[in-house]
Amino acid sequence: KQEVTQIPAALSVPEGENLVLNCSFTDSAIYNLQWFRQDPGKGLTSLLLIQSSQREQTSGRLNASLDKSSGRSTLYIAASQPGDSATYLCAVVRMGAQKLVFGQGTRLTINP
Amino acid sequence: GAVVSQHPSWVICKSGTSVKIECRSLDFQATTMFWYRQFPKQSLMLMATSNEGSKATYEQGVEKDKFLINHASLTLSTLTVTSAHPEDSSFYICSARPLAGGADTQYFGPGTRLTVL
Repeated sequence: KQEVTQIPAALSVPEGENLVLNCSFTDSAIYNLQWFRQDPGKGLTSLLLIQSSQREQTSGRLNASLDKSSGRSTLYIAASQPGDSATYLCAVVRMGAQKLVFGQGTRLTINP
Repeated sequence: GAVVSQHPSWVICKSGTSVKIECRSLDFQATTMFWYRQFPKQSLMLMATSNEGSKATYEQGVEKDKFLINHASLTLSTLTVTSAHPEDSSFYICSARPLAGGADTQYFGPGTRLTVL
C-alpha cells in the first residue's frame, strides 16, 4: 500500500527566504508525482507535475525534484512571499492505477 | 479553461437528513470524476471513483449505501450523503479527468463544507 509522508507538518519563515518542503513515498513504482497548493477552505491548485521518467520540473519560483529510487521529492520555493502562505500537498499516482494518494500536507506561513 | 464547480459550497443540515452535492465540469467533458473527503488539518482521502454511465468504485471502508454517487452525464456527478450524522461533517472535494487529456490530468473543484448538527 502506497503511503505518502510530508515533513514538516508546519513551517513558518520570514519573507524572502528560500525554503524546501519534503515528500516521501513508500512504493517507488509510481507513474507521476504532483505538488498542489490549497488555501484555507478551498480546493486544490496543481503547481507542478513530475513524470516518473523526469527528475525535476520548474515553474517560476518553484522547483520540484523527484528521486524515485529513494522515494523522495522536494519542493523548493525561492524568495518566499506572504502570498505563498498555504498548505502544500504532494500526491503520487501508482503505476497501473489512476488515483492520487496524498500526503498530509505542509502548512506554510510566510511572515512579512 | 478546465473549471470544476461544486454546489453548494457549504451546507448545514440536521442529523438524519440527506444531502446532495453536485460536481460539474464547466468547460470540458469528464469521463471520470473522483470524490474525496478531508478532515480538518488532514489530507484528502479518496472515497470513490465514478465513470459516466457506470457504477462508482468505492475505496475500502467507504459505505456505498451511505455515500451514493451518480455520474449521469459527462459533465455532472453527484454525491448524496444519506442519513447524515455529525461524524460525516467534513470537507468534500471532487475532481474531474477530461475526456481529452492524459491519465494524469485532474482538475479539482473548490470543495463543499458539510456540517451535520
